[in-house]
Order: sequence, then C-alpha cells, then structure tokens
Amino acid sequence: EPEVTQTPSHQVTQMGQEVILRCVPISNHLYFYWYRQILGQKVEFLVSFYNNEISEKSEIFDDQFSVERPDGSNFTLKIRSTKLEDSAMYFCASTTSGLAGTSYNEQFFGPGTRLTVL
Amino acid sequence: SQQGEEDPQALSIQEGENATMNCSYKTSINNLQWYRQNSGRGLVHLILIRSNEREKHSGRLRVTLDTSKKSSSLLITASRAADTASYFCPEGAQKLVFGQGTRLTINP
Repeated sequence: EPEVTQTPSHQVTQMGQEVILRCVPISNHLYFYWYRQILGQKVEFLVSFYNNEISEKSEIFDDQFSVERPDGSNFTLKIRSTKLEDSAMYFCASTTSGLAGTSYNEQFFGPGTRLTVL
Repeated sequence: SQQGEEDPQALSIQEGENATMNCSYKTSINNLQWYRQNSGRGLVHLILIRSNEREKHSGRLRVTLDTSKKSSSLLITASRAADTASYFCPEGAQKLVFGQGTRLTINP
C-alpha cells in the first residue's frame, strides 16, 4: 500500500542552523501539507501546497519557513535559522483532491521527523 | 478558532470492552474524518464519513454523524491493547485543525 515517507526520522541541530526536512508524498496526490506537533501539544497546521505554490499558511509559517517541490517526488520544508521553539515533530501529509468546492478525501500522514534544536 | 473537539479527554477501559468517543465541530462539513495517533508517532487515518451518511463501519470501528447537532461518535468494539492511542476528529477540509483528542487506554 502506498505511503508517505519522511527523512530523517530524527534531526538534531544547533540553534541558528538551517534544516531541511524531506517528504515523499504518495505519487498520484496533488495536495501536500506540513504540520507540526510540539511535545505534549496539539497537531498544528503549517502550510498547504498545490500546483507548485503555497495555497494556505498559518501564522506559525513565517519568513523562516519555506517549502519546495524540487522534483516530481520530493516535498521539502526548510527552516532557515532554527530556534529552540522549533523543536517538534514535523508531519508531512498528502491527499488526492483539494480543489475548492469539492469534497476532500483523507489526508495520509508520514511517520514524522523529530526535530531537536539545541 | 474552529477545531474538532473530542470528548472525553481520557478514557480507560478493560480489554474486550467497547470504547465510545465523541466529537463536536462548528462549521458545515462535506465529510468528517477520524485519526489515531500512537504515542509520539504519525497520524493514521481511520475512517471518513460524508455529510450525507449517518453511519459507517470499518472492521471494529463504527462512526456516526449527526449534522443537525454537529457531532460524531467513534465506537471501537472488542477493544485490544493495540487500540491504546489518542483519537482525533480534526475539523476542516483542506487544512485540518486538530483538538486535544481523546486519550484511550486499554488495560489488559
């Protein structure tokens, strides 16, 4: 069964360093997402991406964050200058549909990347 | 902000018993989804029920939806230790907004 994969599973970095979290969504999916979950807290939406551009982003997703689909398979989240408060699990998700006005299908989540900022 | 709210916050039952969790939401929906998260791990999609459906089954799972009350319930029958997890009914279609979830513990 197809699944969303994420690498690395755990990333440790120093404050101020840049990190890139990688995701391979399910191949025929059209919409891609990043969420994060700080330890013990709710899962929070960061950004959605469709047709090679951001379709929606949250207040968390400031100028330090960027997303990219550099080729036909990968979807990346970059944090330019990490802060201690960026420590969290980051989840990538994808879905087959998402056009405005249509019924949405389930989002498939990857296993997550645990980011630890020291 | 809109988010699916799960109730109760925590539920502890004996293995083999049934577990029922409830969800309330605020906006009009096309469908409602339930997800499971084992401790600190990824979210697993369990079931999706469309707004024109009232009940849906998948294995040991039964979901009901009452759009007039903006509520849904998830029933897990014959619970197993592996069902220990947090359960969510995020609100939203494209952007999912998660609540705190129901933390279900199955005791042996």
